[in-house]
Amino acid sequence: QVQLQESGPGLVRPSETLSLTCTVSDASVSRYYWSWIRQPPGKGLEWIGDMYYSGSTNYNPSLKSRVTMSVDTSKNQFSLKLSSVTAADTAVYYCARAAYSYGPFFDYWGQGTLVTVSS
Amino acid sequence: DIQMTQSPSSLSASVGDRVTITCRASQTITNYLNWYQQKPGKAPKLLISAASTLRSGVPSRFSGSGSGTDFTLTISSLQPEDFATYYCQQSFSAPFTFGPGTKVDIK
Repeated sequence: QVQLQESGPGLVRPSETLSLTCTVSDASVSRYYWSWIRQPPGKGLEWIGDMYYSGSTNYNPSLKSRVTMSVDTSKNQFSLKLSSVTAADTAVYYCARAAYSYGPFFDYWGQGTLVTVSS
Repeated sequence: DIQMTQSPSSLSASVGDRVTITCRASQTITNYLNWYQQKPGKAPKLLISAASTLRSGVPSRFSGSGSGTDFTLTISSLQPEDFATYYCQQSFSAPFTFGPGTKVDIK
């Protein structure tokens, strides 16, 4: 059973950079695409982007100027950085595996981690 | 961006009821449509991919249909564990967008 676990600070100051890591178990990050999806409290889901271990990335244009995703195959982890955060970036952040068949669907998810942007 | 809408936004139903949720895309997405179930405080769970393919381990009371712009998720006989919020997601073109959700609660 593939498992994903997000980790990172739960509180980030405005204008700073949000950094999260997703650790993958029972699957290699050197296969599949890996995604980040977020959900503001009480609201819907927003796809942030995905990446392949080769370095190929695909970001949501609404966030593209602030997003960087990377993968560390030696640790079987992938990461998200979101710069210049504001209160609007407060959300539960999920990492997920993106299986590309008829486009991407997200078949395995982490439990999610709440990141609050506040001074 | 492709906009996804869902109706209704919420519904109340009883155990045993047949429930249908509709999802509409702002442009044709052929069958590039996925459905998720989310319970409070939990990550979404994939139910159906490619509009009608039931994922492994998902009960057969769930079914999906549709193509083009209009899609439905049907629960043939609602069970207590099905009370949740349901989201559709288009996988036709990036950015991959989700519908706003349909909350199913107990009547």
